[in-house]
Amino acid sequence: DQQVKQNSPSLSVQEGRISILNCDYTNSMFDYFLWYKKYPAEGPTFLISISSIKDKNEDGRFTVFLNKSAKHLSLHIVPSQPGDSAVYFCAASFSGGYNKLIFGAGTRLAVHP
Amino acid sequence: KAGVTQTPRYLIKTRGQQVTLSCSPISGHRSVSWYQQTPGQGLQFLFEYFSETQRNKGNFPGRFSGRQFSNSRSEMNVSTLELGDSALYLCASSLQSGSTGELFFGEGSRLTVL
Repeated sequence: DQQVKQNSPSLSVQEGRISILNCDYTNSMFDYFLWYKKYPAEGPTFLISISSIKDKNEDGRFTVFLNKSAKHLSLHIVPSQPGDSAVYFCAASFSGGYNKLIFGAGTRLAVHP
Repeated sequence: KAGVTQTPRYLIKTRGQQVTLSCSPISGHRSVSWYQQTPGQGLQFLFEYFSETQRNKGNFPGRFSGRQFSNSRSEMNVSTLELGDSALYLCASSLQSGSTGELFFGEGSRLTVL
């Protein structure tokens, strides 16, 4: 039972344009959502997060939007840069779940010059 | 500040053998979590240790076990290896054990089971 789903395995975007990565979840008890970025041969690195009581969180070029009624979140990268090319994982956690994160399968983003 | 260190980085085992992977967290971090990454599956939670106590466990068979030492270093062990255990095993550390989820990951140990 996949509680966090990233339905697009890959995304290709031109440099300077917006990248939109999507994530759906099934469990309404999640109270924190996160995005991690992973380069080849490296561990995932934390990018941005959002609490379930908010609908938007912004950090520089990265913005995460949460739509609880649709159980959907998205990561917007504006403007996209070639260095953003990586695999992006969406993750969710429960209050009381300690550091157990439930990850999606990831979306590979390629930003072309 | 040194990051999360995992050893060994790569290893090859045969079915039926056992393996032990090691993780040294960032200095001062008391929580260590382990995840398994397989192609197309994302990362799946194995277990978390905090102050030498297992806080949470994922849905993996009993062949997967772990422990944490008083210096916060952690090891995970997989016994009676199966082909499906081939994966990247990632360790992550954090200061506390909570739901905000900002974990610091190591580069992983890539296990191949033949």
